[in-house]
Amino acid sequence: KAGVTQTPRYLIKTRGQQVTLSCSPISGHRSVSWYQQTPGQGLQFLFEYFSETQRNKGNFPGRFSGRQFSNSRSEMNVSTLELGDSALYLCASSLAGTSGSRQFFGPGTRLTVL
Amino acid sequence: SQQGEEDPQALSIQEGENATMNCSYKTSINNLQWYRQNSGRGLVHLILIRSNEREKHSGRLRVTLDTSKKSSSLLITASRAADTASYFCATATDLNAGGTSYGKLTFGQGTILTVHP
Repeated sequence: KAGVTQTPRYLIKTRGQQVTLSCSPISGHRSVSWYQQTPGQGLQFLFEYFSETQRNKGNFPGRFSGRQFSNSRSEMNVSTLELGDSALYLCASSLAGTSGSRQFFGPGTRLTVL
Repeated sequence: SQQGEEDPQALSIQEGENATMNCSYKTSINNLQWYRQNSGRGLVHLILIRSNEREKHSGRLRVTLDTSKKSSSLLITASRAADTASYFCATATDLNAGGTSYGKLTFGQGTILTVHP
């Protein structure tokens, strides 16, 4: 099976702009989670989607949003970008997204905000 | 905030030596997982140990879990230069009401392992 794919791999944006990142999970996986990784805060959970519904959300401002499509592909959007949003954004897929599920990560999208 | 604290933050060893990394966490867990990350790329799942397990092996990896001390260790035996990476522990927690914290893994800050040829 193909692994988790994320597009684009690299992005450069300026403050105030918005950005959309895409994640395609492993075939058959219905849960997609998103994480932000920065040198200062480490890996932090953003949100999780299952069957087009957000089931869990981390502690991020409303500028961070996401959605999931009927084919389980997911997008996350960050509006009004700030310098601090520069990070590696990782998505992970799993069969059910429950606490016992193993998660498979994509290669990440590196976002740089200037 | 990070659930797990990892120790040491950085570890430098020679090829062939063993590498041990430790992880502590704060709340009760369903399972604990270890991941490897090469140079700012995606995370690779190494091993999952459930809260009712004490030890697990996978190839050159050995993981232990002590739920009474809320700690885990990852041992890599006979290390190779290709093992050079950052290693993270991550915990998955069930909610108090008996539900599940969907999709959420709480990561430690990681240990940077450098294996010199």
